Amino acid sequence: DTAVSQTPKYLVTQMGNDKSIKCEQNLGHDTMYWYKQDSKKFLKIMFSYNNKELIINETVPNRFSPKSPDKAHLNLHINSLELGDSAVYFCASSQGDGFTDTQYFGPGTRLTVL
Amino acid sequence: AQTVTQSQPEMSVQEAETVTLSCTYDTSENNYYLFWYKQPPSRQMILVIRQEAYKQQNATENRFSVNFQKAAKSFSLKISDSQLGDTAMYFCACYSGGGADGLTFGKGTHLIIQP
Repeated sequence: DTAVSQTPKYLVTQMGNDKSIKCEQNLGHDTMYWYKQDSKKFLKIMFSYNNKELIINETVPNRFSPKSPDKAHLNLHINSLELGDSAVYFCASSQGDGFTDTQYFGPGTRLTVL
Repeated sequence: AQTVTQSQPEMSVQEAETVTLSCTYDTSENNYYLFWYKQPPSRQMILVIRQEAYKQQNATENRFSVNFQKAAKSFSLKISDSQLGDTAMYFCACYSGGGADGLTFGKGTHLIIQP
């Protein structure tokens, strides 16, 4: 069984559109995260979220918003997509509520904005 | 702001050899955590090893071990008896508190294991 899953695996869309990427974890973890990996493989944390708080990396544009319908899901919504949003987006989860715990990553979603 | 530096963009070794990937970091915090993640061609990110800064003993996971030199702010990863499946990007990361801004990844080292 996949521990952390993301859909879709690939997403191609036009500039200006709004899109969502879904993430689900079946590990019973308390905290979920979203990362962006750019074309140079550089990884950047975007958000972390548990039932207590949402922690946002202040460099992330407010066009990006995480939505958590329940503890097992953290979806990423992106409004008004821009060319620079093209990247691989990873969802992850961890047992505890901090970055010190081991994170389990999803397979990634490759987003291409045309 | 903290930094994580991986000075080797790419390395290549023969199967069964031992290879060491370097990582240096800079943080003003006394308590922090260091990680090595592996990203194979499948793109999945996998935790390889984790080290807590207040622990002097170097972490070990099977063929993977670290050389943690706190004074030098160095956190190198040693892979013994390398296997073809070790071919991947390896990322060093540091978390020093303060939420999302406290987590920083290096730019990665692409390790190629040759048959």
